[in-house]
Amino acid sequence: AQTVTQSQPEMSVQEAETVTLSCTYDTSESDYYLFWYKQPPSRQMILVIRQEAYKQQNATENRFSVNFQKAAKSFSLKISDSQLGDAAMYFCAYRKSGTASKLTFGTGTRLQVTL
Amino acid sequence: DTGVSQDPRHKITKRGQNVTFRCDPISEHNRLYWYRQTLGQGPEFLTYFQNEAQLEKSRLLSDRFSAERPKGSFSTLEIQRTEQGDSAMYLCASSLVSGRVHPEAFFGQGTRLTVV
Repeated sequence: AQTVTQSQPEMSVQEAETVTLSCTYDTSESDYYLFWYKQPPSRQMILVIRQEAYKQQNATENRFSVNFQKAAKSFSLKISDSQLGDAAMYFCAYRKSGTASKLTFGTGTRLQVTL
Repeated sequence: DTGVSQDPRHKITKRGQNVTFRCDPISEHNRLYWYRQTLGQGPEFLTYFQNEAQLEKSRLLSDRFSAERPKGSFSTLEIQRTEQGDSAMYLCASSLVSGRVHPEAFFGQGTRLTVV
């Protein structure tokens, strides 16, 4: 079975600084997707960024980028120029490729952004 | 379209009572998913539908749980004889899957269930 591990329950970053959230996963599959989702307090979960395992290039979305290390099964999220609105729970998630659609989530990292 | 809608947002019930939650997916989305999220944990998959067909159920979905998606539009999740361990946030998500194209799922705000 696939597992996703986030070893940082909480992280803090100053506004305008950079922070990296860690995620490791375990799978025997070779083709899969990895995601970072953001869950603000009392609001719905939204997709931040996704990475296809077959792509060597790391995904980027504006201030968000990932460091995908397939051999090490590591998938970290870097947030640059942090903003107050980035404060939220961040979940790393895995999905097998193909028509199987369920997501396997980690336990989350709570990110605080300070002035 | 305002996204995935879930009703109610909050539900407090006494142990042993039955509860039903509703999810309205984004219109024309053919996939609908239910997840459960307990405090301090990530969401855990419960079940999903392709149109009106329930294609997969997690072992978390005990006999007291039943989900339906009549006519392939909205879905309901019913919990019978609720237990305190059922207290959680129940999340619904939907997506439009076509062939091997499988875009991301959009999540609703969830229904928070408290069993007292």
